[in-house]
Amino acid sequence: KQEVTQIPAALSVPEGENLVLNCSFTDSAIYNLQWFRQDPGKGLTSLLLIQSSQREQTSGRLNASLDKSSGRSTLYIAASQPGDSATYLCAVTSNTGNQFYFGTGTSLTVIP
Amino acid sequence: ETGVTQTPRHLVMGMTNKKSLKCEQHLGHNAMYWYKQSAKKPLELMFVYSLEERVENNSVPSRFSPECPNSSHLFLHLHTLQPEDSALYLCASSRREFTEAFFGQGTRLTVV
Repeated sequence: KQEVTQIPAALSVPEGENLVLNCSFTDSAIYNLQWFRQDPGKGLTSLLLIQSSQREQTSGRLNASLDKSSGRSTLYIAASQPGDSATYLCAVTSNTGNQFYFGTGTSLTVIP
Repeated sequence: ETGVTQTPRHLVMGMTNKKSLKCEQHLGHNAMYWYKQSAKKPLELMFVYSLEERVENNSVPSRFSPECPNSSHLFLHLHTLQPEDSALYLCASSRREFTEAFFGQGTRLTVV
């Protein structure tokens, strides 16, 4: 069974810092990987989707990379802002396409 | 606004009550999902519907009963719930099964 791990569970950084969030998965036979943002008590907002054939995706200050062979993805946030404070979740879809597997998330706090 | 709308946003119910959660998507997607999110746990997939047919049921207790009358609407009927069922219930949709997912804002359910 696919297992998805996100480390660290919580991260606190000063405003303006560049940061990296990590996601690792145990089975490299994935169809895609998606990064989400979740504000407290709210739903998930899709940030970036990387297909298994891709190495990275970019949207504004966000860049997500994927290394399938090592079972890792990173989400890079440039010039962090207080508004970036949220929980960031990654999810992978297996090659059989029958399940999203979620990590438990990294809670990010950006201090003004 | 993700295009997926859930109602109600908050629900408090007694263990003998019957209630329903509603999800509506305006994205023209063919797959819809119910997830349960409990504190400190990864999202748990409950049900998947593809083209209005249930394709996944992850050993969910029968006190949870899904209904998908058409590709735009998904319901979760609740009856005789337990306090441990208190959680955030999230609805999602995607163009096809397990492609990029879009989530609603969730229903915060408290069982008393």
